[in-house]
Formats: sequence, C-alpha cells, structure tokens
Amino acid sequence: GEDVEQSLFLSVREGDSSVINCTYTDSSSTYLYWYKQEPGAGLQLLTYIFSNMDMKQDQRLTVLLNKKDKHLSLRIADTQTGDSAIYFCAETSSGGSYIPTFGRGTSLIVHP
Amino acid sequence: ETGVTQTPRHLVMGMTNKKSLKCEQHLGHNAMYWYKQSAKKPLELMFVYNFKEQTENNSVPSRFSPECPNSSHLFLHLHTLQPEDSALYLCASSQASSGFSTEAFFGQGTRLTVV
Repeated sequence: GEDVEQSLFLSVREGDSSVINCTYTDSSSTYLYWYKQEPGAGLQLLTYIFSNMDMKQDQRLTVLLNKKDKHLSLRIADTQTGDSAIYFCAETSSGGSYIPTFGRGTSLIVHP
Repeated sequence: ETGVTQTPRHLVMGMTNKKSLKCEQHLGHNAMYWYKQSAKKPLELMFVYNFKEQTENNSVPSRFSPECPNSSHLFLHLHTLQPEDSALYLCASSQASSGFSTEAFFGQGTRLTVV
C-alpha cells in the first residue's frame, strides 16, 4: 500500500468546517505537512506539525496529530470558495530517506 | 512566490522534439527534486539531487535526463517523449542534512503536452 493515504474528494458548503484526513505508515515521521494546490499551480505549504505535537492552530487552520494511530487531519473553519483546491499530506522522517513522501491529494470542493 | 521558479509554464512538443525544463531556486537549499503530476495519479518523485549529486532515480525512462549544474539550478532534458508523458512537472527544493529535510518549496510547474 501507499505510505501516505488520503481520501480523494471532499465536498462542503460555504461557511461549514472541512476536515481532511491522512494516514501514514512511517513511525519515524518527524514532520508532517499540509500543502495546497490551486488549479494550474504548484504546491504551496500551508502548515506543518512536528511529531511531538498533538495540535497546531493557525488562524482558520487546525492540524491534529494522533501519533499512535498515525493519523493527521486538517480542519478548515468557515470554509470559503477560495479554499477549493487539492490538499496534500506529506511527511519526512529522520529514520531513513529525507525525501518528502506525499499522499495522492484530497480535492476539496466548496459550494455556495 | 515561493522562491522556486520554473520555466516555461506551458510547453507543447512533438514526439521527435528535444526540449528542456528549467528550475531555479533562490532559497539557498541544497536539495532539488523533479516530480511528475498526472491526472488521477499520486505525485511521482522522478529525481533527487543533493549538493548537485543525483541521489534518486525512480525508474524514470531515459528519455528524461536531469542535469544539476549547481545547487540553485535544475534542468530536465526531454527527447522523444510519448503522449503519456503529458503532465505537470513540478520542481521543488529543500534543505537536507543528516537524513532529514525541511519542508519542500515548489515551483508553479510546467504543463507539458506531447502531441
């Protein structure tokens, strides 16, 4: 199976909260990241969390990490149409390759 | 603006053409990457350079040839491509040391269409 897994699609109504989930397999993951990709653009780093943290909040974004279950989530409060994009989960680990491993990405569709 | 610039943004080429993609980073990073992004597929890592040395080549066909003349520049030379090579090619860079890397910064990508 893949090292980082995400569901492919999420549809929400404008103003609601969105929760995008990710699971990973590498127990030595050190940093976990969320990237955003808008149509026709590259990936933009949104936020990251160090593996010894449980939660990180940055304005409308909340990242939750359950290290025991190897589960990462990104919550977007008050979702706007401008949040429509593909969201990628990624991890780097200290235990082996330093190369970031990405999930397939979750397409977030925000409708009025 | 992420500090990683890719040119051209769009490229249409015939199967017999030779072209090059360019990536430049002004972040002082020592690792640079080429990724391929196709529809309905995960982001595929193609090549990794660390301190100008190629450290990864993920079974990429020889019609793709990378070049890293210095830590700030990365090229992807293309020749005799196939239509299935049409994709978004993303360049990224990061600071790597002792088996660890900071977050990767991405360029805007080159949308390649092979006709």
